[in-house]
Amino acid sequence: NAGVTQTPKFQVLKTGQSMTLQCAQDMNHEYMSWYRQDPGMGLRLIHYSVGAGITDQGEVPNGYNVSRSTTEDFPLRLLSAAPSQTSVYFCASSPGQGSYGYTFGSGTRLTVV
Amino acid sequence: GIQVEQSPPDLILQEGANSTLRCNFSDSVNNLQWFHQNPWGQLINLFYIPSGTKQNGRLSATTVATERYSLLYISSSQTTDSGVYFCAVERVGNFNKFYFGSGTKLNVKP
Repeated sequence: NAGVTQTPKFQVLKTGQSMTLQCAQDMNHEYMSWYRQDPGMGLRLIHYSVGAGITDQGEVPNGYNVSRSTTEDFPLRLLSAAPSQTSVYFCASSPGQGSYGYTFGSGTRLTVV
Repeated sequence: GIQVEQSPPDLILQEGANSTLRCNFSDSVNNLQWFHQNPWGQLINLFYIPSGTKQNGRLSATTVATERYSLLYISSSQTTDSGVYFCAVERVGNFNKFYFGSGTKLNVKP
């Protein structure tokens, strides 16, 4: 099992560019989430999903879109990158309610210049 | 949202010492998780503990949901325990919507 795979690991964008961060899991987990981590801080929830076709907003959704067309994939789209979106992005998955906790991907370090 | 406060924010230990990390939260929760983020940035789930006590080797955790706090115990600390410890809570009724504390940064010296 690969677990949770995030690509790319590093990315530099120019202000105004768009891009998609990929997240895939091979554990048949129902729940998936995207978080961002800024220096010296905890993780903040961007968007989350409780199953294919179901997504919802977290604490800091502005500037980001998600979709969940399959159980395995949960891509995060930056619509028009801003320097404030410079951060480390983590994707996580879990089997669902009342079960085991999160498995995290290794993160994507994004710099917007 | 829900407020999650962790203490202490920083902790320095000598190898072999014990420690207790605390997580307080402001509302009723469905679930609570503890994580370790190693110096390379990898996040590892330590415990999924909405209530009660669990143990895994030198680590154990206790959540008292009615009093809105959780404790993480580290015994006989090792240098590999260094990193940041986060707790995250899922508010009642908000499935898969976890809020993280700002973490406790632990440095274990040899």
